Amino acid sequence: GENVEQHPSTLSVQEGDSAVIKCTYSDSASNYFPWYKQELGKRPQLIIDIRSNVGEKKDQRIAVTLNKTAKHFSLHITETQPEDSAVYFCAASRASYDKVIFGPGTSLSVIP
Amino acid sequence: SQTIHQWPATLVQPVGSPLSLECTVEGTSNPNLYWYRQAAGRGLQLLFYSVGIGQISSEVPQNLSASRPQDRQFILSSKKLLLSDSGFYLCAWTRPSGREFYDEQFFGPGTRLTVL
Repeated sequence: GENVEQHPSTLSVQEGDSAVIKCTYSDSASNYFPWYKQELGKRPQLIIDIRSNVGEKKDQRIAVTLNKTAKHFSLHITETQPEDSAVYFCAASRASYDKVIFGPGTSLSVIP
Repeated sequence: SQTIHQWPATLVQPVGSPLSLECTVEGTSNPNLYWYRQAAGRGLQLLFYSVGIGQISSEVPQNLSASRPQDRQFILSSKKLLLSDSGFYLCAWTRPSGREFYDEQFFGPGTRLTVL
């Protein structure tokens, strides 16, 4: 079945450094790739997404890149801050009305 | 504005007991609805999703079932709980099919289930 892999499972960076999380997906028909952030004890919330017709998207300190040929996409966080500490999930979907498959998550710790 | 509710917030149940978790969405019509389970320190496992009343797709064969008796109500059930059913259960919704091909999932506050 469809699968999304995510690496690393844990990531620790110094405040101000960059963090990169990488994901691969198996379903070549996937067209939508959202990223969710889940702070401790809270629900996941969308932070950025990218569609298959775009190779890169940026929103302030967050950027995502997509390589459809290789079936992988990445999240880049620059100038990390302590409030960036959370679990980040990548996901892949064919469409919003189809099922969304999540990766296992990356626990990011930003050390002040 | 749209809101999503889940109850109960926490639940402690003995092995072999039944389960019923409820999720309701307000402020929208014909949402797509999803049930996820998140085990401790693990990712989000899709259990069921529904694109309309009475339409349920099951992703993982197990002792859980889902029902959608009303447009904005999604229920997760079990006849006999197992220890492995413990976890954090999240309900989510997206806007109706066809209005936006790619859309954000909005998650509920979750139910923390402990099976003893």
